[in-house]
Amino acid sequence: GDSVTQMEGPVTLSEEAFLTINCTYTATGYPSLFWYVQYPGEGLQLLLKATKADDKGSNKGFEATYRKETTSFHLEKGSVQVSDSAVYFCALTISNFGNEKLTFGTGTRLTIIP
Amino acid sequence: DGGITQSPKYLFRKEGQNVTLSCEQNLNHDAMYWYRQDPGQGLRLIYYSQIVNDFQKGDIAEGYSVSREKKESFPLTVTSAQKNPTAFYLCARRQLIPNTEAFFGQGTRLTVV
Repeated sequence: GDSVTQMEGPVTLSEEAFLTINCTYTATGYPSLFWYVQYPGEGLQLLLKATKADDKGSNKGFEATYRKETTSFHLEKGSVQVSDSAVYFCALTISNFGNEKLTFGTGTRLTIIP
Repeated sequence: DGGITQSPKYLFRKEGQNVTLSCEQNLNHDAMYWYRQDPGQGLRLIYYSQIVNDFQKGDIAEGYSVSREKKESFPLTVTSAQKNPTAFYLCARRQLIPNTEAFFGQGTRLTVV
């Protein structure tokens, strides 16, 4: 079945450091890929998405590129801030009539220290 | 609220009681989902529904029930058969156009006392 594997956390970085959170996937067909962010006690918010190979999603300084050849969608940010501290989830969906599941990775907790 | 509302935000239940969590959306989206999240864990799919009066079990449906009598509403009942119901429950909506994202509610934290 479809699955998403995320970099194990927690991840702790200093402010202004470079961030990479790895995400790889297994899917039949052609998935769309997403990164969601969850702040404490809240639901998930969409951070960025990519719907086909070589697409780059970007938002709030975060970027991720859909790499079909390596089945990856790694999240990057050049200079993190304390406000980026949250849990990040990689996810995929494949539109297949009768099976519209969303599949999530286990999440990566990110803490940024001043 | 992103077009989807969960209530209540906090819920306490005595052991052996059934309890129903509300999820309402106002954007006429076809699909709705219920996930369970345990501390430090990812999301596990309980049930999902793509059309009115139809729904499918997810990975951890045992001890839960749902209904989809109206497009805008997808309530989740946590029954007494669920042995460990204390968790954070998230509802999501999604339009069934290919490759669209899901939008989540703010969640309900259920605690068994």
